[in-house]
Amino acid sequence: AQSVSQHNHHVILSEAASLELGCNYSYGGTVNLFWYVQYPGQHLQLLLKYFSGDPLVKGIKGFEAEFIKSKFSFNLRKPSVQWSDTAEYFCAVLISGGYNKLIFGAGTRLAVHP
Amino acid sequence: DTGVSQNPRHKITKRGQNVTFRCDPISEHNRLYWYRQTLGQGPEFLTYFQNEAQLEKSRLLSDRFSAERPKGSFSTLEIQRTEQGDSAMYLCASSALGQGIGGSPLHFGNGTRLTVT
Repeated sequence: AQSVSQHNHHVILSEAASLELGCNYSYGGTVNLFWYVQYPGQHLQLLLKYFSGDPLVKGIKGFEAEFIKSKFSFNLRKPSVQWSDTAEYFCAVLISGGYNKLIFGAGTRLAVHP
Repeated sequence: DTGVSQNPRHKITKRGQNVTFRCDPISEHNRLYWYRQTLGQGPEFLTYFQNEAQLEKSRLLSDRFSAERPKGSFSTLEIQRTEQGDSAMYLCASSALGQGIGGSPLHFGNGTRLTVT
């Protein structure tokens, strides 16, 4: 069965530190990849997505992610985090023929200290 | 606000009772999804509608669960004879049909938090 693995469940950083959150998926066919963010008390929001083309995609708020097909990975990065980035981050994969049905990872809870 | 709307925000019920949740998607979105999220987990797919047709159901959706989208607009999710294991956040999402496998990204509501005592 298709699955998404997020390696870090909890990450604690100081402001200005660099961030990298790991995401791996298991599916050999065509995929679309997403990162969603959930700020405290708010709904899930799309951070960025990869459909095709340049494997390095840029999203909102300075986030970017790189799709490495050979590694089945889609890691999220930000060079310098801010306190306002404190949130839970979910990686998700959409497989071909899947009715836009997203399969989510378990999430990574990020806490950024001032 | 033209986002996805879910009601109620919170529901506390006793085991054995029936509950119903409502989702109003973004008006031009054909696709509607229900997900369930428990503590420490990502959202898990429950069911999917395209317009009024329920096209896919997860094995997570036992026969106590039923979802409808009678006119292709709002949707309801009913849980009969609730159990403590049903306690979770129930999320609704919608998207538009699009070309390729991507379509448009899912837009999520704030969810309904169910607590079964």
